Amino acid sequence: ETAVFQTPNYHVTQVGNEVSFNCKQTLGHDTMYWYKQDSKKLLKIMFSYNNKQLIVNETVPRRFSPQSSDKAHLNLRIKSVEPEDSAVYLCASSLDRVYEQYFGPGTRLTVL
Amino acid sequence: GDSVTQTEGQVTVSESKSLIINCTYSATSIGYPNLFWYVRYPGEGLQLLLKVITAGQKGSSRGFEATYNKEATSFHLQKASVQESDSAVYYCALSETASSGQKLVFGQGTILKVYL
Repeated sequence: ETAVFQTPNYHVTQVGNEVSFNCKQTLGHDTMYWYKQDSKKLLKIMFSYNNKQLIVNETVPRRFSPQSSDKAHLNLRIKSVEPEDSAVYLCASSLDRVYEQYFGPGTRLTVL
Repeated sequence: GDSVTQTEGQVTVSESKSLIINCTYSATSIGYPNLFWYVRYPGEGLQLLLKVITAGQKGSSRGFEATYNKEATSFHLQKASVQESDSAVYYCALSETASSGQKLVFGQGTILKVYL
């Protein structure tokens, strides 16, 4: 049963464009995350939000910015994409900060 | 920083045979991290398979087991008899908690292929 939704599933764009990915969870969780899975299948955390506040911000380029309107939504904007941004972006949520995380299906970004 | 290592990129096993996927970790920021195995079945999203939060304890799910060995800093995944439906990608992970908030640190993933 899917409870963490991500849109779009795929996105192809050109270098320099702006993209935005959406994530919504219906689990009533208060913490949400963005992870990046690169071409080598390595999964790394990018951001973490708890009750609309940023609590983890790994070293990611400044062109990446998370946006949270409420605790059920956490979007990811990339201001000017680069080729190395091609990856799968996974959204996740958890109840508070210490419980297991539930993942969405991912958004695959291809930058030409 | 913390890290998780899975030595096998791919494992191929005949159905009904036993399986072990190795996982070792290094947790410098926290002494006793929570340990997880996540799985991604073909066409599906990443999902939790099992977790153990206490050193020395064993977690189990769907016939899989993993024991939190703090002396060896290992959390190997085992199954006595695999099925074709177990074919998937398996990720070992640890969580860093406390003031920085929880974040999962993943291993590289192991592709499991089970053949008839």
